[in-house]
Amino acid sequence: AQSVTQPDIHITVSEGASLELRCNYSYGATPYLFWYVQSPGQGLQLLLKYFSGDTLVQGIKGFEAEFKRSQSSFNLRKPSVHWSDAAEYFCAVGESFQKLVFGTGTRLLVSP
Amino acid sequence: DTAVSQTPKYLVTQMGNDKSIKCEQNLGHDTMYWYKQDSKKFLKIMFSYNNKELIINETVPNRFSPKSPDKAHLNLHINSLELGDSAVYFCASSQEEDIGYEQYFGPGTRLTVT
Repeated sequence: AQSVTQPDIHITVSEGASLELRCNYSYGATPYLFWYVQSPGQGLQLLLKYFSGDTLVQGIKGFEAEFKRSQSSFNLRKPSVHWSDAAEYFCAVGESFQKLVFGTGTRLLVSP
Repeated sequence: DTAVSQTPKYLVTQMGNDKSIKCEQNLGHDTMYWYKQDSKKFLKIMFSYNNKELIINETVPNRFSPKSPDKAHLNLHINSLELGDSAVYFCASSQEEDIGYEQYFGPGTRLTVT
């Protein structure tokens, strides 16, 4: 079965600094990969997704992610973090064409 | 307008009770989902419906029964509530059942069983 690992439970970044959140997946075929963000008390919002093609994908709110097949990774990046980016971030992989499997999330804290 | 709405937002109840959570989407989507997020933030799909037909039914106790009166609504009924049912339940919808289509999530219902 497919699985997703987000090795960092919490990350603290200074406002204005760059950010990288790690995601590793286990999947036999070409995966469908997603990053979602959950703000406190809110539902999840899709930041970006990868299906095929260019391995560097751009998303909303200035986020990007890079698919690296050799490392089974799909890390999320942002060059300059804003205080409003503080949230929980979830990586997910498509287990079938109908079902998403989520990682356990990384909580991003932004310090002034 | 709220795209995916859930009621109630908070639900506190005692063990053994029966409760329902309602979900409505006004996006015209064909597919709707229920997810459970436990206290460790682990998010797992429970059910999905496409045009009122059950598509995914994960290993969920049969005390949980989804009901879709029409494609804009997917309610979750839970019988004989247990302490372990305490969680945040999210409803979501997408245009079609293919995960290539973005899933839009509701704000969640925090269920606390005492």
